[in-house]
Order: sequence, then C-alpha cells, then structure tokens
Amino acid sequence: DTGVSQNPRHKITKRGQNVTFRCDPISEHNRLYWYRQTLGQGPEFLTYFQNEAQLEKSRLLSDRFSAERPKGSFSTLEIQRTEQGDSAMYLCASSLGREGILTKNIQYFGAGTRLSVL
Amino acid sequence: SQKIEQNSEALNIQEGKTATLTCNYTNYSPAYLQWYRQDPGRGPVFLLLIRENEKEKRKERLKVTFDTTLKQSLFHITASQPADSATYLCAPLDDSWGKLQFGAGTQVVVTP
Repeated sequence: DTGVSQNPRHKITKRGQNVTFRCDPISEHNRLYWYRQTLGQGPEFLTYFQNEAQLEKSRLLSDRFSAERPKGSFSTLEIQRTEQGDSAMYLCASSLGREGILTKNIQYFGAGTRLSVL
Repeated sequence: SQKIEQNSEALNIQEGKTATLTCNYTNYSPAYLQWYRQDPGRGPVFLLLIRENEKEKRKERLKVTFDTTLKQSLFHITASQPADSATYLCAPLDDSWGKLQFGAGTQVVVTP
C-alpha cells in the first residue's frame, strides 16, 4: 500500500502526558498537512509543510503542539501536557504541491490517529 | 468569518433513489470546490473538484453543481447503493492551494 500511513492508529494517554504521532506521506509528495477532527465535525486545519518548511500554522495549534518534517519526508506531531480537550482524530494528508496544476494539489489522507486523553 | 454549512441531519434514502446534498458557504469567494467521502474511522477520500466557471461536473453516478451567485454547491448521488453510505464533506478552496476548510459533513444512509 503506497498511501499515506499514520502511526499509531489509536493512542490512549493520561492527562498531562506527552504524545507523538507519525505520518509517512506518499513518496514524492512535497506537501504534508495535519488536521484534527472531532465527532460530528469536519477536519480542521492545523499546519502544513512544503518539503521541510512549515508554511502555515493555525491558531488552533497552541504552544503545546509542535510539528516537524525533517528532511522533507515523514512528519511528527507532538502534543505536550495533553488535556482532555485534545481528544480527537488527528489526520495527515499529502499532495504533490505543484503550483498552478489542480490535479497535483489534491490531498490524500491517511486513516488517522485517534487520541483519547483520560 | 468564513462559514461552510452542510445539512447536519443524516439523509436516509432508499436504494436506487437520488441523494442530494447541499453545501452553502458565506464570506468566501472560492475558485474551486471539492467534495470528499469519509467512512467511519477512515480519512476523507477525494471525489470531485469543480471550478467556479463550471456549472456542473459528473463522475460516474456523481454530479456536482456550483452556483457562485447563490454561494452553493449541490452534490447528487444517482441510483444510490448501500455502498454509498458514508459522510460527505465539501471544501471550498481559494487559489492558495494550502489548507482545506471543510464543512461538518452530511451522513448518507442508503437502505436496500
């Protein structure tokens, strides 16, 4: 399967603990996106990378959240001092990211990591 | 502020009928609009993209319309099948091709 891969699929943690999620995009995709989705809502944008550069961060991304994409390949999303309100599905997506070419900018999503903070 | 509204109530429909979903947006001037399908426990899957200068787009049993005057897109599933049961999300898009902003989605349930 050469789609977007996310690990782990599920994470249960206690409030105050740190958690880290990993996303492996489709190879050759330059852009990588993180979204958060809660029950009954559509995905909400968190941040995105063009290669290794983090180009935009949502104001939803508090100081407790940090994302990296070293070497422009896989990405990690870390949440420090988790709170119950962080419980959600965290989705990663990737796209080729070609300026001006519509079909190259379609985003392909992974299955997500479901976080439960107790 | 920008807002995307989709029918919050689930759409229950009999197999073979046409399902019609609505996406309304405010404080947007999107150049494109995308529709995604999401199954429980999975990420969204891209279905269709329609440009602002296209009135209608079709793909197999799917049809999308885009009315920039009404600020609305309609999504139709014709000859619906139980396998079409899922949540459908719309995402208006400007020219930046960065983040996507989604509506809350409409759940479709197709019964045999």
